[in-house]
Amino acid sequence: QQQVKQSPQSLIVQKGGISIINCAYENTAFDYFPWYQQFPGKGPALLIAIRPDVSEKKEGRFTISFNKSAKQFSLHIMDSQPGDSATYFCAAQQQSGATNKLIFGTGTLLAVQP
Amino acid sequence: KAGVTQTPRYLIKTRGQQVTLSCSPISGHRSVSWYQQTPGQGLQFLFEYFSETQRNKGNFPGRFSGRQFSNSRSEMNVSTLELGDSALYLCASSYTGAGNTIYFGEGSWLTVV
Repeated sequence: QQQVKQSPQSLIVQKGGISIINCAYENTAFDYFPWYQQFPGKGPALLIAIRPDVSEKKEGRFTISFNKSAKQFSLHIMDSQPGDSATYFCAAQQQSGATNKLIFGTGTLLAVQP
Repeated sequence: KAGVTQTPRYLIKTRGQQVTLSCSPISGHRSVSWYQQTPGQGLQFLFEYFSETQRNKGNFPGRFSGRQFSNSRSEMNVSTLELGDSALYLCASSYTGAGNTIYFGEGSWLTVV
């Protein structure tokens, strides 16, 4: 029940295309869903995050869509660029539980071809 | 503003040895968490410290331990190293309590031979 399932494992997109990564969770106590971006040799960096009272959040080319009833959320990268090539992790957190413990998905390796 | 700083960045240890990794959180951050990242298991939560107290612990054996000092700096220790402990160990920090952005350091790469 603590798992976060992420797909696909890897993704190849042409420059200018849309990258879509999906995640699903089971624990309804989760109340915060961040996405992290990780480049080789670097630590994960927060990209965008959403709470379950919002169905969509957009920041520049990055959009999170959230479906509370289906317990699913997804990251959309519009106009994908070669610089977006990285590993993306979705995560879930129970902030109401007074903890900063993040449960991560398994990651998606995105390659944007020029 | 300096980010989360982890030392050492790279280290090689022999099976059976022990290792200590250090983390300096962002100034003002009192919550420090540790994660293990491996190709097979992904990012897994080890433990979280807040105001020198362990607030949460993941499913790792007792060989993995940590502590936090009064200045919020944290250390984690792995005793009796096994080959499977080879991983990237990431430290993360955030402001007081839950509900704040969690920032990660660049990690300490541990290789056990």
